[in-house]
This record gives sequence, C-alpha cells and structure tokens, in this order.
Amino acid sequence: DAGVTQSPTHLIKTRGQHVTLRCSPISGHKSVSWYQQVLGQGPQFIFQYYEKEERGRGNFPDRFSARQFPNYSSELNVNALLLGDSALYLCASSLYLQTEAFFGQGTRLTVV
Amino acid sequence: GESVGLHLPTLSVQEGDNSIINCAYSNSASDYFIWYKQESGKGPQFIIDIRSNMDKRQGQRVTVLLNKTVKHLSLQIAATQPGDSAVYFCAEADQAGTALIFGKGTTLSVSS
Repeated sequence: DAGVTQSPTHLIKTRGQHVTLRCSPISGHKSVSWYQQVLGQGPQFIFQYYEKEERGRGNFPDRFSARQFPNYSSELNVNALLLGDSALYLCASSLYLQTEAFFGQGTRLTVV
Repeated sequence: GESVGLHLPTLSVQEGDNSIINCAYSNSASDYFIWYKQESGKGPQFIIDIRSNMDKRQGQRVTVLLNKTVKHLSLQIAATQPGDSAVYFCAEADQAGTALIFGKGTTLSVSS
C-alpha cells in the first residue's frame, strides 16, 4: 500500500507569489494534518482536517489556508509568500483523530 | 503553554549499545504521545506511541516509558545499529487531540 504522498517534492517561488501543495493520505485514512518544519526545528502544526472539516488550526497567519476533498486528499495554500515561509511542509494522515499519524516525505519550499 | 522539550540535543553511542532518548513535556493534560525518527531529507517516521493510561509499551527493539508524575517520556532502543542514526522527536497531542506538539529533537549518532 502507498504511504502518504506529497507533491511536488521541491519548489522554488518568488516573494509575493502563491503556492499550492498537495497531499494524498494513506488509503482509508480520514484525517490529514499539515506541518511546517524549518531547519533544525521540530514540525509545527498548521491545520488538521477530518472528514473534510477543519478541526484545528495552529498559530499561522491567514495567508495559510487548506482544504480537504471528498476523496480525503488535501491542499495547503500559501499566499503572498515571504522569505520566512521557506521550509519543509509535511502532511500527515491518520485513520481518526488522535491515532497514529504517518507523515509523507514533505515538500521543500524555497522562497527567494 | 503547551511545549515538549528534549533533554539532550545530541547522543553518541557505539553500535550494539542500548540508547535512551529523553523528553520532558509540560502539559499534564496531554494523553497521547508519539516518538518519531527523521532521517535527513525525509519526513518523520512513526516509531511507537503510548497513551496516558499506560506506563510502558514495547515494540521491535524499542520501548517507550511514560512517567506522568514528573511528565517525562523516554525512548529506549536496544542493540543500536548504524541505521538508527537520525533525529528523534517526541510529540504530544494537544488537549483537543488535533495537533501534535513536537520538541526540538535529539540527534542520535551510532558509530561502528
């Protein structure tokens, strides 16, 4: 079975641009979460979706938004990119809330 | 506030030794904890989890211990191998059960 898949794997954007990151959860998993990991730090929670509804939001500006589709895949959108948005963006899927969360390989976003 | 921290940023061991990685958490209301392993350029890999109604849980070569009295979590790796070299993170679920709060990580280096 495929694990959590994220696309693209790497991305370079210019300040002020918009970016969309995509995530496909493990088959059967209904919860998708997004995390930002800057170099040398642990992942920081951005959003969680369960059954297509937002269940949690971390301390990130409104430039960050997400959604979950009927097939449980998810998109993370970031508007008006800043240099500080450069990070590894991780998607995690779990069967339900507060169960084993499995991460994808991440999308490495570089903002120049 | 909620935070999870690790006692040591780095740990160096010899192949075949047992490794112990420690983590202190601050939120006594947390009831779910996970250990992750992250290799360079990859997403975090689920190792083992434990709920607050347990003190100990064993997996393959790994054991997680939870001491709720002092809010301490540890990961024990038996017969450490070079392939165990990575950054290890502990994470706790927030009170709503939606977000995982990560610490900064411990880098485990295993020499042959």
